[in-house]
Amino acid sequence: GAGVSQSPRYKVAKRGQDVALRCDPISGHVSLFWYQQALGQGPEFLTYFQNEAQLDKSGLPSDRFFAERPEGSVSTLKIQRTQQEDSAVYLCASSFTGETNTEAFFGQGTRLTVV
Amino acid sequence: AQSVTQLGSHVSVSEGALVLLRCNYSSSVPPYLFWYVQYPNQGLQLLLKYTTGATLVKGINGFEAEFKKSETSFHLTKPSAHMSDAAEYFCAVTEFTGGGNKLTFGTGTQLKVEL
Repeated sequence: GAGVSQSPRYKVAKRGQDVALRCDPISGHVSLFWYQQALGQGPEFLTYFQNEAQLDKSGLPSDRFFAERPEGSVSTLKIQRTQQEDSAVYLCASSFTGETNTEAFFGQGTRLTVV
Repeated sequence: AQSVTQLGSHVSVSEGALVLLRCNYSSSVPPYLFWYVQYPNQGLQLLLKYTTGATLVKGINGFEAEFKKSETSFHLTKPSAHMSDAAEYFCAVTEFTGGGNKLTFGTGTQLKVEL
């Protein structure tokens, strides 16, 4: 596609429910990132993939968070047993390479509200 | 670890006035610096970036920023504000971990443009 696509755009989950957030990166982009943006804050890094390999997951806040990119394109961020503090916008970004000066293109995000 | 500080969570200017959004960074290695803009319910869009070379960087929509190593700053400016510039602006620094160019963001500055 022309840009990074994320679905769903909005998700309301009951506390304790599992959720799955999808990211379709720009075709051919090697690098894929997930960020979490709490209300009134800047995005914070969660995890990074280079093709199908998850090279950095240092930002995942707990073992309830899990991300995968099995075929090196589409990625899914899964949150198990959601808690209220998980409420945030989850942003996906992709870039052509993992080089430091390469622009990352962001999707519109998924707004997760845990009630 | 690298960090970014954005001074002023809210800035208000009159249409046609100078826009100045402040950003200071902390880095132990030469940084790559970015400014992103976020419109309501949208993802992040790259305004401009500094990697190497000329310290005055020009971006889209008439914005520019100057990298000042001695002041560890990367302030964003625009000579004449337009109503369409109202948005949230994020300064970011790249932290290259050897496994990708993840971004560390500031907390953002909300720009309001008044008639």
